[in-house]
Amino acid sequence: GAGVSQTPSNKVTEKGKYVELRCDPISGHTALYWYRQSLGQGPEFLIYFQGTGAADDSGLPNDRFFAVRPEGSVSTLKIQRTERGDSAVYLCASSFSGQGGGTDTQYFGPGTRLTVL
Amino acid sequence: QQQVKQSPQSLIVQKGGISIINCAYENTAFDYFPWYQQFPGKGPALLIAIRPDVSEKKEGRFTISFNKSAKQFSLHIMDSQPGDSATYFCAANGMDSSYKLIFGSGTRLLVRP
Repeated sequence: GAGVSQTPSNKVTEKGKYVELRCDPISGHTALYWYRQSLGQGPEFLIYFQGTGAADDSGLPNDRFFAVRPEGSVSTLKIQRTERGDSAVYLCASSFSGQGGGTDTQYFGPGTRLTVL
Repeated sequence: QQQVKQSPQSLIVQKGGISIINCAYENTAFDYFPWYQQFPGKGPALLIAIRPDVSEKKEGRFTISFNKSAKQFSLHIMDSQPGDSATYFCAANGMDSSYKLIFGSGTRLLVRP
């Protein structure tokens, strides 16, 4: 399909382990976003990429979280030394330009449900 | 100042009824207010959006009402259908960080047949 895809759909890991979550944005979209959605809450912004660079990583909760987008397309969110509190659905979104507002809709993927035991 | 407060947390409506979800914000720099619909196991999808220069926007059975002075906006779903059962999120973003969506906490809507 032409939408945003995320893999894996589910990830169960043990406390202290390292995980990588992958996002494939819509082809041609220069802007890519990661959000985190805890149970019963709205998505919370983590990081925004414009092309290959992280334009705003102010939402990353601490230095255990890191994201890359080396070729300006696929992005990987990396979490080191996972903690139980990291359990959530991690959503990726992409948009055409990153200019925001009504001219630049963010399209979301289905998310990766991360469970840290 | 970055919060968007949403109510109610859950809502049950009979088929054919009107569903109303309310949101309030503090940051006057917000200038774009979308509503997203999310089904279980899926990502949020844009439903309808409004800018503060208009007081109402209608698309089919969905209407956003916007009150700039009160810093409130609401989603009205007319003739609610069982297929509308989903979680609805209001959101906002603004000129200072136009790419960053600030979401409300969500409203779980159940439309009974």
